[in-house]
Amino acid sequence: ETGVTQSPTHLIKTRGQQVTLRCSSQSGHNTVSWYQQALGQGPQFIFQYYREEENGRGNFPPRFSGLQFPNYSSELNVNALELDDSALYLCASSPKPGGNYEQYFGPGTRLTVT
Amino acid sequence: AQSVTQLGSHVSVSEGALVLLRCNYSSSVPPYLFWYVQYPNQGLQLLLKYTSAATLVKGINGFEAEFKKSETSFHLTKPSAHMSDAAEYFCAVSPNSGGSNYKLTFGKGTLLTVNP
Repeated sequence: ETGVTQSPTHLIKTRGQQVTLRCSSQSGHNTVSWYQQALGQGPQFIFQYYREEENGRGNFPPRFSGLQFPNYSSELNVNALELDDSALYLCASSPKPGGNYEQYFGPGTRLTVT
Repeated sequence: AQSVTQLGSHVSVSEGALVLLRCNYSSSVPPYLFWYVQYPNQGLQLLLKYTSAATLVKGINGFEAEFKKSETSFHLTKPSAHMSDAAEYFCAVSPNSGGSNYKLTFGKGTLLTVNP
């Protein structure tokens, strides 16, 4: 069984640019959540996708957007990058969107904005 | 809104000693509770979860946690620390009712170091 994978592993962007991060969910999982983890902090919920629809969103501006594809893989897009966007971005998949279902995390993408 | 407070950003123990990592939550109804571990440069791995069944929850690697509603706590313990337990530990909460039952809210984490 393949776990959650994310690409790329590391990324360096310049302020104002746009970035796309990718996530492949675990087999059989139809729900994907994205989290931002700043250095020394716990992960912060960005949004969740369930069956290709956004199922909820945290306190992030609209320049953070996402997609989920028919195979349940997902993308996180960030426009107009700011220095504070530098963080580890974690993707997590789960069998269903309910709060009692375990979320399986990928290794993350480390984004550095200069 | 739910929140999680982890007391102690850094805990240091000797190998073989008891590990106690503290977590308190704020919620109008008892939520689902989780403990995750994060090793350097890796994602998060679930240690254990409380989902309204037994209040004493056993997880992987010898860890366990007890849900105490009266104290709004979910502290993580392990009787004897191993060097391999050195990592960052996160407590997280998810609501078990209402429309927003989809997101995990994490604490700021506790870094556990184990001394030989």
